[in-house]
Amino acid sequence: DAKTTQPTSMDCAEGRAANLPCNHSTISGNEYVYWYRQIHSQGPQYIIHGLKNNETNEMASLIITEDRKSSTLILPHATLRDTAVYYCIVRAYSGAGSYQLTFGKGTKLSVIP
Amino acid sequence: DAGVTQSPTHLIKTRGQQVTLRCSPISGHKSVSWYQQVLGQGPQFIFQYYEKEERGRGNFPDRFSARQFPNYSSELNVNALLLGDSALYLCASSRLDPTPGNTIYFGEGSWLTVV
Repeated sequence: DAKTTQPTSMDCAEGRAANLPCNHSTISGNEYVYWYRQIHSQGPQYIIHGLKNNETNEMASLIITEDRKSSTLILPHATLRDTAVYYCIVRAYSGAGSYQLTFGKGTKLSVIP
Repeated sequence: DAGVTQSPTHLIKTRGQQVTLRCSPISGHKSVSWYQQVLGQGPQFIFQYYEKEERGRGNFPDRFSARQFPNYSSELNVNALLLGDSALYLCASSRLDPTPGNTIYFGEGSWLTVV
């Protein structure tokens, strides 16, 4: 079962920072937080992941709270092409040496011109 | 480098038929996973393979099966198709042993419609 809680939808003005929150209050010490996004009818696109430290790459920044119970994905300058469903995932051990991704419903981000 | 490639991209099958979907992982990736995404929902895990061995299985009936070949490509087979099997089938690959810190990359998927 999904172990994260995200808002159903959010709007962001084009050119502004998009801050997408995620709660994962039951996260365990060795579980990573992953973010993917999915543009309509396409495969999920990897954005970023982290364990406890803040992370940044060319796409986004991931801010994880010190208690690791929540995180925020930041898209620094949102464009219309960032309109998508964003999934926050806690990647947990699922048995037999497998660490699968368990997707929830995600947040539908709409970037407004 | 090419990403995860899947074929076919779209297909239509009749109830009761069988279907085979194919996946080629990113070069150098040894782990392949399959996910099913029904319209309006997030992807659901079906199988994971690493070094040709099944490493995980989701809550899907035995009509679903998969295998991984020596070149790390993979096939997903679904027998006795039902209307509810209509979905986007996603293949994903990762480089190493599927530990939680190894990034998983997805292909664009195969759209299956069962009529």
